Amino acid sequence: QKEVEQNSGPLSVPEGAIASLNCTYSDRVSQSFFWYRQYSGKSPELIMSIYSNGDKEDGRFTAQLNKASQYVSLLIRDSQPSDSATYLCAVGGIKAAGNKLTFGGGTRVLVKP
Amino acid sequence: DVKVTQSSRYLVKRTGEKVFLECVQDMDHENMFWYRQDPGLGLRLIYFSYDVKMKEKGDIPEGYSVSREKKERFSLILESASTNQTSMYLCASSFGRVPTEQYFGPGTRLTVT
Repeated sequence: QKEVEQNSGPLSVPEGAIASLNCTYSDRVSQSFFWYRQYSGKSPELIMSIYSNGDKEDGRFTAQLNKASQYVSLLIRDSQPSDSATYLCAVGGIKAAGNKLTFGGGTRVLVKP
Repeated sequence: DVKVTQSSRYLVKRTGEKVFLECVQDMDHENMFWYRQDPGLGLRLIYFSYDVKMKEKGDIPEGYSVSREKKERFSLILESASTNQTSMYLCASSFGRVPTEQYFGPGTRLTVT
């Protein structure tokens, strides 16, 4: 079992709809959770961080964390073609990783006009 | 704003050459990381450093070495480049002694021929 798992996609979403991305992690004591967006050929860009259970909203993005079920999700409301990218989930505090992050493989999102 | 810069966006080297990739961050971050990213394999950690002159191996250190002589600068060295080291190399930095968000540089696309 991978330590951080994401569906690779592609997740195809009509413009204006909500894109829902999920990420599960293996270590119950994980402390910090991040979502990155990566456009093709570019480097990952941090879009959200979340540390405690519940929802955190930032503009059109909402991160949801459920530590009991060991998953973190990202909702993108009013999806735009410019949201087409790969979204990476990253988890901190897995096992003896120290201050490293463990990244999932990413979910590719395609927003169709 | 955090700024992480990398010495080159694109680099072409020959097999057997010694290759230096440099990364500089301007936010006084303690931690710096080198990853490589290949299609289907995701982000893989090569080396990281949590302080000047300190380094730790990541998941795939073979064929690489690193140097951190100053806090803001972290170099990745390919001692004798091989074609299987053709990849996108990403540098990142983060603050503190707990797993916090990492900020990425623009990446270096290295081709070894």
